[in-house]
Amino acid sequence: TQLLEQSPQFLSIQEGENLTVYCNSSSVFSSLQWYRQEPGEGPVLLVTVVTGGEVKKLKRLTFQFGDARKDSSLHITAAQPGDTGLYLCAGAVSGTASKLTFGTGTRLQVTL
Amino acid sequence: NAGVTQTPKFQVLKTGQSMTLQCAQDMNHEYMSWYRQDPGMGLRLIHYSVGAGITDQGEVPNGYNVSRSTTEDFPLRLLSAAPSQTSVYFCASSLRPVSGIRTNIQYFGAGTRLSVL
Repeated sequence: TQLLEQSPQFLSIQEGENLTVYCNSSSVFSSLQWYRQEPGEGPVLLVTVVTGGEVKKLKRLTFQFGDARKDSSLHITAAQPGDTGLYLCAGAVSGTASKLTFGTGTRLQVTL
Repeated sequence: NAGVTQTPKFQVLKTGQSMTLQCAQDMNHEYMSWYRQDPGMGLRLIHYSVGAGITDQGEVPNGYNVSRSTTEDFPLRLLSAAPSQTSVYFCASSLRPVSGIRTNIQYFGAGTRLSVL
């Protein structure tokens, strides 16, 4: 059973476009993280959100944690080819901080 | 600064063979985890450890064994490889999360790509 569903699964856009990736669950998470993974490498942390409604910005990337802490979104403004990769959300369910549950992933390709 | 080191990077096995995937970290992290990554399924937790001598099962533990005799090392053993275990395996480590202070931020190795024929 996959606790975290991401959409879309694949996204191919041109440089300069905006996009949003969604991470949804029926479970409540004490914290939620976003990772980016490039081919042949392990995932690397982008951001952690811990408070319902929290918004964090990382240059052109904006992350939001849902008010009920069951969902999150990642918005990229003016995408660049360097944003290409697999984006993964991961959550820690309340009371089980030792285990992270990863989402199904969104593969983003940004072309010139 | 090596971080998390996984060996080997690639491996091909025949059905029924056994092998050990190695994972070592030099960051003195208490927590270590093994994941497998399959297309369209993200990362699924196989086993994890919250400290030396302590291990627990994750979401997909069948067919895999682990042990944690030291803080640095967390090997993953495939007892009798099956084609269903063809995957990319990632080891990760993290500091112990502390409520309100620190979350479970995972540092990943580069992965081991395993094919079972």
